[in-house]
Amino acid sequence: EDQVTQSPEALRLQEGESSSLNCSYTVSGLRGLFWYRQDPGKGPEFLFTLYSAGEEKEKERLKATLTKKESFLHITAPKPEDSATYLCAVPTPDSWGKLQFGAGTQVVVTP
Amino acid sequence: SAVISQKPSRDICQRGTSLTIQCQVDSQVTMMFWYRQQPGQSLTLIATANQGSEATYESGFVIDKFPISRPNLTFSTLTVSNMSPEDSSIYLCSVEDPPEQFFGPGTRLTVL
Repeated sequence: EDQVTQSPEALRLQEGESSSLNCSYTVSGLRGLFWYRQDPGKGPEFLFTLYSAGEEKEKERLKATLTKKESFLHITAPKPEDSATYLCAVPTPDSWGKLQFGAGTQVVVTP
Repeated sequence: SAVISQKPSRDICQRGTSLTIQCQVDSQVTMMFWYRQQPGQSLTLIATANQGSEATYESGFVIDKFPISRPNLTFSTLTVSNMSPEDSSIYLCSVEDPPEQFFGPGTRLTVL
């Protein structure tokens, strides 16, 4: 059975303290992996799509990487506005829109 | 990227009643998806809605409980029927703009 597992469940950082979030997956024939940011009471906000091992993508203080078994979301010198829950998800073989989500990592950045 | 709106943004309902949630997209899309996010949990796919055909439901979700309409390429509704407190969740619609996937702001439902 396909599984998507995120760690840690929660992460508390000081402003400027860089860290990484992990998303491991057991999916046959991975076609891609999504990263989303979700603020309380809002829908997920799309961040990145990664397609193949070795790929990297960046957006401001966020950098996502992909290996054959896991993906990392690196947060460099975070600011309080980076506080959110970060979700990773993989599409099913039959549809990009049918996503299996991990449980998420809740990140809190304090000044 | 697609812009998605949902109505209502939140509601408080009595058990045994039904609520219809609307999802509007600013462009024509073939497939729309409905997800549920229970308190403190991640998102779970309820069903896929294609225009002109019956919705397809994921394991654990049935049409009698979550009827879906898809009258055109920019609009869909999800009804939560005969509600119980266990249905208290955020309901989200999403659309694929391959290979990306975008989500609406969600409808926060509380059932008393």
